[in-house]
Amino acid sequence: GEDVEQSLFLSVREGDSSVINCTYTDSSSTYLYWYKQEPGAGLQLLTYIFSNMDMKQDQRLTVLLNKKDKHLSLRIADTQTGDSAIYFCAELIYDMRFGAGTRLTVKP
Amino acid sequence: DTGVSQDPRHKITKRGQNVTFRCDPISEHNRLYWYRQTLGQGPEFLTYFQNEAQLEKSRLLSDRFSAERPKGSFSTLEIQRTEQGDSAMYLCASSLAAGGPNEQFFGPGTRLTVL
Repeated sequence: GEDVEQSLFLSVREGDSSVINCTYTDSSSTYLYWYKQEPGAGLQLLTYIFSNMDMKQDQRLTVLLNKKDKHLSLRIADTQTGDSAIYFCAELIYDMRFGAGTRLTVKP
Repeated sequence: DTGVSQDPRHKITKRGQNVTFRCDPISEHNRLYWYRQTLGQGPEFLTYFQNEAQLEKSRLLSDRFSAERPKGSFSTLEIQRTEQGDSAMYLCASSLAAGGPNEQFFGPGTRLTVL
């Protein structure tokens, strides 16, 4: 099965907060990442968190890491239509392992 | 634009033909990675180089796949005797290996269609 799991779809209204969740299975992960992919484009690194941290904030983005439950989340505050994209969670062990992605749709 | 570039952006080929893709990493990056992404999935790691050395290739999908980075700068990924199941987006990424978060920067990808 997948090493990294994400829900496939999320729909929110413009201005609301979005929370995208991810679970991973390998406790030896050193870093965990969130990437964004827009149609026809490559992956854009949004943020990352070191495995000994439990929270990281970067402008509208907040990453929460629960190592006990192997759960990672990405919160986007004040979600905009330009945030509509696919968001990938990834873990770094010896190589980078990605989830299948969560498609975020932002409705005006 | 000094990001990662890939060429071609799209490739349509007939089953059984060989194809080669090129990736030019960010110039100061010493690590280069190849991934495959199929529809509805995240990228799947294939192989990576540190400078000209290919440090991991066990995840290449079959012996029809090979990659080179002869001078430690650009890299090529070749697929021999293509099959319809090879149709996918092939992504390249680069990073500066120095411990730490290994931030990988991705190119736009080459979309391969095998007829």
